[in-house]
Amino acid sequence: DIVMTQTPLSLSVTPGQPASISCKSSQSLLPSDGKTYLYWYLQKPGQPPQLLIFEVSNRFSGVPDRFSGSGSGTDFTLKISRVEAEDVGIYYCVQSIQPPYTFGQGTKLEIK
Amino acid sequence: QVQLQESGPGLVKPSETLSLTCAVSGYSISSNYYWGWIRQPPGKGLEWIGNIYHSGNTYYNPSLKSRVTISIDTSKNHFSLKLRSVTAADTAVYYCARVWGHWGQGTLVTVSS
Repeated sequence: DIVMTQTPLSLSVTPGQPASISCKSSQSLLPSDGKTYLYWYLQKPGQPPQLLIFEVSNRFSGVPDRFSGSGSGTDFTLKISRVEAEDVGIYYCVQSIQPPYTFGQGTKLEIK
Repeated sequence: QVQLQESGPGLVKPSETLSLTCAVSGYSISSNYYWGWIRQPPGKGLEWIGNIYHSGNTYYNPSLKSRVTISIDTSKNHFSLKLRSVTAADTAVYYCARVWGHWGQGTLVTVSS
């Protein structure tokens, strides 16, 4: 199985400041059909996860442009350029290059 | 836009079968995409259970494969999950999802006698 490791597991950010979350895979997520199946989700308190980024760097419909994704191979990053109060929750990366699809442990973001 | 809604019993007895259905609206599941189930034990992370395509092709998590069946009914625009021989360790919020896009709100299933 591909193990997805997120760091940090928690972070506390002042509104307006940037934040960055790393997701490392135990195997290279080689492109398939020209795509790398690495996604980022945000689970706000009491809600289901909502898609932020698909295929490494593409923002999902309605996602603010302060969110961006990057990376390749085994190293991927989610960046928030200016954190807002509504960004609190747990962020997960997930790979679907090969089954079983696996999630990172989650990174909890809170506001200072 | 696509919406998904899980339904099924919230309480299942140990050794019995957990059965859930996911109704999809706003999109025909026979058009494209994989449709899947994910679960989240209380206070814990996310575990992928399996996917199904409209053709019926399935992928299951090997850790659950011996107990899981996912099926699809394109005429009703829904897909279903059956998890056999449940134990307390199967207590979780179960989500259905378009892989990878929108998710349902989730439904808590508790395994208890």
